[in-house]
Amino acid sequence: EVQLVESGGGLVQPGGSLRLSCAASGFTFSSYSMNWVRQAPGKGLEWVSYISSSSSTIYYADSVKGRFTISRDNAKNSLYLQMNSLRAEDTAVYYCARAQSSSYWGHIQNWGQGTLVTVSS
Amino acid sequence: EIVLTQSPGTLSLSPGERATLSCRASQSVSSSYLAWYQQKPGQAPRLLIYGASTRATGIPDRFSGSGSGTDFTLTISRLEPEDFAVYYCQQYGSSPHSFGQGTKLEIK
Repeated sequence: EVQLVESGGGLVQPGGSLRLSCAASGFTFSSYSMNWVRQAPGKGLEWVSYISSSSSTIYYADSVKGRFTISRDNAKNSLYLQMNSLRAEDTAVYYCARAQSSSYWGHIQNWGQGTLVTVSS
Repeated sequence: EIVLTQSPGTLSLSPGERATLSCRASQSVSSSYLAWYQQKPGQAPRLLIYGASTRATGIPDRFSGSGSGTDFTLTISRLEPEDFAVYYCQQYGSSPHSFGQGTKLEIK
C-alpha cells in the first residue's frame, strides 16, 4: 500500500523558514516523480512544485519561485520542501503527492494526509 | 498558463439523482491530460478519473469522465451518500499543471 506521511509543519513568523518532509513507503520511490500541492484554509488546490525521479528536472509555481526549494533523497525514500521568506499567503495544508510515473506529464496518483503550515506573527 | 473554470460552484442534489460537473479550460488541454479528484472534509484528495475518461483503480462505475479540447465533464450516474464532497479538475498537459477552483456537491 502506498503511504505518504508529511511532517514539519507548524507556526512560523513572516519571513521565517520551515522544512517539510515526506516519508514514502509501499512503492519504489526512486521510480516516481513527486509533487507538493497546497491548500489554503477553505480554498482550492494549488500545485507548488515538481521534482523528477532523479532530481534532474524541477519546477516551481511562480508564487513560490526563488523562496521554496524541493529536493529528494531516494536512499531515504524521502521528499523535502525547504520554505524560506514565508508570507501569510503561504498558510496552507501542504500535501506530498506522487505522480503516476517518472514523467512530468502525468496525473497525481496518490496523496499524503498533509501538514499544516501557518505563517503568522 | 491554462486556467480551468469549474461549474457550478455548488450543486445541490439528492441521493439517487444524476450529477453533471463541468470543467472548462482557457486553452485546449493537450492529449486530454485531464484528471478529476474528490475531496471530503478533513481528507486528502483522491484520484477519480485521469486521461479525461479513465477511472482510477477502485472507483465505482457510477463515476464517468468525458470531453476533450477545452470542455470536460464528470458525471455521477446515481448519487450515493458518500459522493457528497468537493470535486476538482486538473490539467497536466501544459506547464504549470493547474487545478480548477472546485465544485461542491451537497445534499439537497
